[in-house]
Amino acid sequence: GAGVSQSPRYKVAKRGQDVALRCDPISGHVSLFWYQQALGQGPEFLTYFQNEAQLDKSGLPSDRFFAERPEGSVSTLKIQRTQQEDSAVYLCASSTDELGQNEQFFGPGTRLTVL
Amino acid sequence: SQKIEQNSEALNIQEGKTATLTCNYTNYSPAYLQWYRQDPGRGPVFLLLIRENEKEKRKERLKVTFDTTLKQSLFHITASQPADSATYLCALRVNTNAGKSTFGDGTTLTVKP
Repeated sequence: GAGVSQSPRYKVAKRGQDVALRCDPISGHVSLFWYQQALGQGPEFLTYFQNEAQLDKSGLPSDRFFAERPEGSVSTLKIQRTQQEDSAVYLCASSTDELGQNEQFFGPGTRLTVL
Repeated sequence: SQKIEQNSEALNIQEGKTATLTCNYTNYSPAYLQWYRQDPGRGPVFLLLIRENEKEKRKERLKVTFDTTLKQSLFHITASQPADSATYLCALRVNTNAGKSTFGDGTTLTVKP
């Protein structure tokens, strides 16, 4: 079966533009996570969904970042008025259980470059 | 403040030797700890999970230990191969937060033939 997919794989935006990053989790996975990974660093938690409910958004760096998962499957991470410091790889992961205690299956990431 | 440290940014070893990677943490009470492998341009891939009440876990050539007194996990790859070359990440999940995992910055392992 297919793993976690993310689109686009690469995105170049001019400073100030809005971007939308899509994540298709593994079918049936309850938990969905977004992470931001800067070059040479580990993934940093952004937000977590259990089905359609966003249970933790403590990692979102500012109110320019917004995530949704309206039907409990596909999720979109939106960044408004992008800044250069938003340049990073954005990783999505999904997990089978409600608490995400099982392994997380990661997508390949979207590399965002803000010029 | 809470901190996760993985030993040295890079580790170089000879094929056939055992690689030992370290994950130290401060000011956490982790429910469990996971190890992931990440290759360039790809997302992390889960390897092993060890819970706070477990001392050791094994999977094929991999072994993880977890010492909650020392606040340390060790990750061993025995009989290392060039194909084991990658970045290895540890991640903590704390008791009080259901969803959030906190990752270290990783150790890049290079196994030379």
